Amino acid sequence: EAAVTQSPRNKVAVTGGKVTLSCNQTNNHNNMYWYRQDTGHGLRLIHYSYGAGSTEKGDIPDGYKASRPSQENFSLILELATPSQTSVYFCASGDISYEQYFGPGTRLTVL
Amino acid sequence: QQKVQQSPESLTVSEGAMASLNCTFSDGTSDNFRWYRQHSGKGLEMLVSIFSDGEKEEGRFTAHLNRASLHVSLHIREPQPSDSAVYLCAVNQGGSAKLIFGEGTKLTVSS
Repeated sequence: EAAVTQSPRNKVAVTGGKVTLSCNQTNNHNNMYWYRQDTGHGLRLIHYSYGAGSTEKGDIPDGYKASRPSQENFSLILELATPSQTSVYFCASGDISYEQYFGPGTRLTVL
Repeated sequence: QQKVQQSPESLTVSEGAMASLNCTFSDGTSDNFRWYRQHSGKGLEMLVSIFSDGEKEEGRFTAHLNRASLHVSLHIREPQPSDSAVYLCAVNQGGSAKLIFGEGTKLTVSS
């Protein structure tokens, strides 16, 4: 079974601080994704990657950066966190079949 | 941009009765349709994927796709209290691996 892990699982940050959310997958999938989930909006795509060294903007990239240093790891970076970025963040990995395997989520609170 | 809408927002069924959930999408060029389940505070579990008109069964879960009507549905046979969760419909952006999610239907199965 696909294995996608996220860290931390819970994070409290201060406004203006830097936050890094990490994702690791052991499936050897080329594609990786970062979503946020908010009540009333469902899951929305922030950034995605087709392989090591590549990042692409999703539907709501403003205020976020992404980094894919290796096949296994994909990070989401909030350089200057704001309260509007309080959300649950999900990472997923996927292959050419378009199947996506999701991690357990990270709950981020920005005070 | 693909738009995905789910109905109803919430649904309560008795244990053993059929549960039917609906999803409409705006772009008929999509070719990848998925239903996920999300228990409270958990990640997403893929239930069934369907790529062509007709139906696809995975255990107690059956998806029906009618692309001409821009409609995909999920039917849950003999639902149990453990099926109480939010059900998410996801449709790919035509020609790409990007998934667009609906806001979900909250299903409650009463015993």
